[in-house]
Formats: sequence, structure tokens, C-alpha cells
Amino acid sequence: DAGVIQSPRHEVTEMGQEVTLRCKPISGHDYLFWYRQTMMRGLELLIYFNNNVPIDDSGMPEDRFSAKMPNASFSTLKIQPSEPRDSAVYFCASRPSGSGNEQFFGPGTRLTVL
Amino acid sequence: SQKIEQNSEALNIQEGKTATLTCNYTNYSPAYLQWYRQDPGRGPVFLLLIRENEKEKRKERLKVTFDTTLKQSLFHITASQPADSATYLCALDHNFNKFYFGSGTKLNVKP
Repeated sequence: DAGVIQSPRHEVTEMGQEVTLRCKPISGHDYLFWYRQTMMRGLELLIYFNNNVPIDDSGMPEDRFSAKMPNASFSTLKIQPSEPRDSAVYFCASRPSGSGNEQFFGPGTRLTVL
Repeated sequence: SQKIEQNSEALNIQEGKTATLTCNYTNYSPAYLQWYRQDPGRGPVFLLLIRENEKEKRKERLKVTFDTTLKQSLFHITASQPADSATYLCALDHNFNKFYFGSGTKLNVKP
């Protein structure tokens, strides 16, 4: 298995533009998580899905952020409009069912909003 | 919510020594606690999980302890090697499916 795949690896955009980050979880994993990592705030959970259904989006900073999981092998995180404070590394992670199971992280997308 | 504290200062040790990293938390006690390793430019990689009813867990040169009274977990790397240099994150579960991460401690192992 190739592991969790994220694209793009780097994204530079201007304030006000729409940004879409993509994630392909490991096949067979029922849970998918989106995280954001910054020096100031560390690794923060934004939203997670179970069987393609959003379960908890309490970490989504504001309405400019949205996430979808149309099928078991694909998820997107969209920021519209983007702002400089959204600059961070965004990670997608997946894991199989079962409490406490390890999460498998993707390589991350480094987003820079100018 | 959960507050998790890891030493923000880097830990510098000599090769061959034991590295000990600390994870302290407040508020509720988690059912699970995990430790991850993160290298620069990469995503975290799972190392160990310990449950609330376990006091200690070992895996090769790694050892984790979990003291629910002190609300603290210790992560030990014995016979440390320069290749162990990385940032180590602890993560505490919330309702089994959601994990809160600490900010991590950077470990530097010098040859």
C-alpha cells in the first residue's frame, strides 16, 4: 500500500483565492482525519469522518473551511476565501476501526497564503 | 477540552544514553495515550499506544509509562542513537475516536 496520499505537497496562493487540498486514505480504513499544524498551535484536529460521514467538525476554524468525503477513497478540504493566517501544514490521516488504533498520516500539504 | 504539555525546549543527549520525554495533561484522564515521532517535512509516525489500565509498555528500545494519578506519561528511548533525533508527540484520546496532540519535544542525540 502506498500509504495516505495528499496533494498538492506545496501550495502558494494569494489571499482571497480558493484552495482545495486532497487526500486519499489507506484502503480499508474507516476513519479519516484532517489536521493543521503550526508552530504556534501545534497539531490541531479540524474534522474527522467515519465511513464517509462527518462526525465532528468542531475544530474547523470558521465557515471559510469545508471538508467533504464523497467516497471511501477520497476527501477534500477547501478554504474559501483563503487568508494569510491559514498558512500551515495540513495533514490527512486515516485509521481502521477499533478504539485506540494508530493513525497513519500523509506527508502533508504546506500551504502559504500571501 | 484537554490541555497537554510537553517540554518545548529541545532535549540534547549523548549517544548511548537514555532519553526521557514527558507528557503532562490536565482535566480528564484519557482511555488511551499514544506517542508519535515526526521528522522534518514529514507526517507523524505512530510508535506506541498505552491504555489507562496499563502502567508500562515496551517495544524494542522504547518504553512508555502512564500514571493516571500524576496525569503524566513518560517516554524513554534506551541506548539512544543519532537516528533517534526527531520531534516526539504525545496524543490523548477523547471519546476514543478523537485525539488531542501535544506540541512535541525535539530530541537531539549527539554522536
